[in-house]
Amino acid sequence: SQQGEEDPQALSIQEGENATMNCSYKTSINNLQWYRQNSGRGLVHLILIRSNEREKHSGRLRVTLDTSKKSSSLLITASRAADTASYFCATDPNTGNQFYFGTGTSLTVIP
Amino acid sequence: NAGVMQNPRHLVRRRGQEARLRCSPMKGHSHVYWYRQLPEEGLKFMVYLQKENIIDESGMPKERFSAEFPKEGPSILRIQQVVRGDSAAYFCASSPEQGAAGYGYTFGSGTRLTVV
Repeated sequence: SQQGEEDPQALSIQEGENATMNCSYKTSINNLQWYRQNSGRGLVHLILIRSNEREKHSGRLRVTLDTSKKSSSLLITASRAADTASYFCATDPNTGNQFYFGTGTSLTVIP
Repeated sequence: NAGVMQNPRHLVRRRGQEARLRCSPMKGHSHVYWYRQLPEEGLKFMVYLQKENIIDESGMPKERFSAEFPKEGPSILRIQQVVRGDSAAYFCASSPEQGAAGYGYTFGSGTRLTVV
């Protein structure tokens, strides 16, 4: 399967702490994206990192990509209760028309 | 500038009935993707369409499922003779070009299908 795998499956932290989620994948990619999904809602695109990029920032989000290890990490700094959601990575392989989603990390930020 | 609109938000069908899910892409987007999310799982690709064309249906079950994106109107995902295993959230995404290169997908809020 080309599907990404997030780690950990679930993460619970105190408000103000940093949250780190990891994603591993199996094939070469054009880019990798991170999405957030609040319970019962659709997915919100957070950030896209291309295969020739190693790090990208957007507000409190920091994404890294290591194509040699086929892995990516999402860091949320100074977490807030509103960050509570599931986070998915999605890989865009070199071939095909679809993105491959992982099973997600469920993040709970405790106020 | 409305986002991707999906309706209905919730749909309950009895076994054997037909389910029809609608998706209107973002304005200016001509590429539509359907994904299915089973409880506690990630999204699984079903089908990719452009106007009047099915480009990739490799993720669609061979029977009972069909999709279309007509010249006018929304994209439709149709599930005939639904079974309990079809219960899931069905998400539609759109992009201005193939593969959403550099943009990412814009997702709708999904249709939650429950088969009773």
